[in-house]
Amino acid sequence: SQQGEEDPQALSIQEGENATMNCSYKTSINNLQWYRQNSGRGLVHLILIRSNEREKHSGRLRVTLDTSKKSSSLLITASRAADTASYFCATDRTGANSKLTFGKGITLSVRP
Amino acid sequence: DAEITQSPRHKITETGRQVTLACHQTWNHNNMFWYRQDLGHGLRLIHYSYGVQDTNKGEVSDGYSVSRSNTEDLPLTLESAASSQTSVYFCASSESVRASLTGELFFGEGSRLTVL
Repeated sequence: SQQGEEDPQALSIQEGENATMNCSYKTSINNLQWYRQNSGRGLVHLILIRSNEREKHSGRLRVTLDTSKKSSSLLITASRAADTASYFCATDRTGANSKLTFGKGITLSVRP
Repeated sequence: DAEITQSPRHKITETGRQVTLACHQTWNHNNMFWYRQDLGHGLRLIHYSYGVQDTNKGEVSDGYSVSRSNTEDLPLTLESAASSQTSVYFCASSESVRASLTGELFFGEGSRLTVL
């Protein structure tokens, strides 16, 4: 069963707008990671947030983690057409021993 | 530069045939994983390995096998291909952090397999 569930499933925004994507999970985690996948390509790691962290930034990316609500959000600010991709959250569940469980992904389209 | 490569990138085969997908990484990572990606299911873990001679079943391992004879390679074998195994397969690797913590995964570009 999927551990991470992303929301929304698809998002379409205008270039320059911010994109917010959410991920909910069910069990306790060590960390949560976000990945991007361009069409026809492999997944690329974006950012990792540990269970004892609440917010993390990397360039135009901002990730938050609320372990009490078992949820995370990924914010992409000032989106660009090149941000068009699928985004996945992946959870490192406590006791899973180096295995990540991925959600089904969010398709982001950024219109020029 | 270190990398992870998969081959073939595309393959068409017939039901019942044995197929092997190759995965080679030059990161010197102990951990290697095989996922399949299907519409509506996201990525699902097939098999994984924490080091040479170590292999483990993931959530969708039926019909698949792996072997780990060296650090760099984790080939995935479909013993008797079925149409349900038509999918895109991704290999990934990661460093061994402490057992309770998972680092980032480095993915290959994928192998698209069609079973007719």
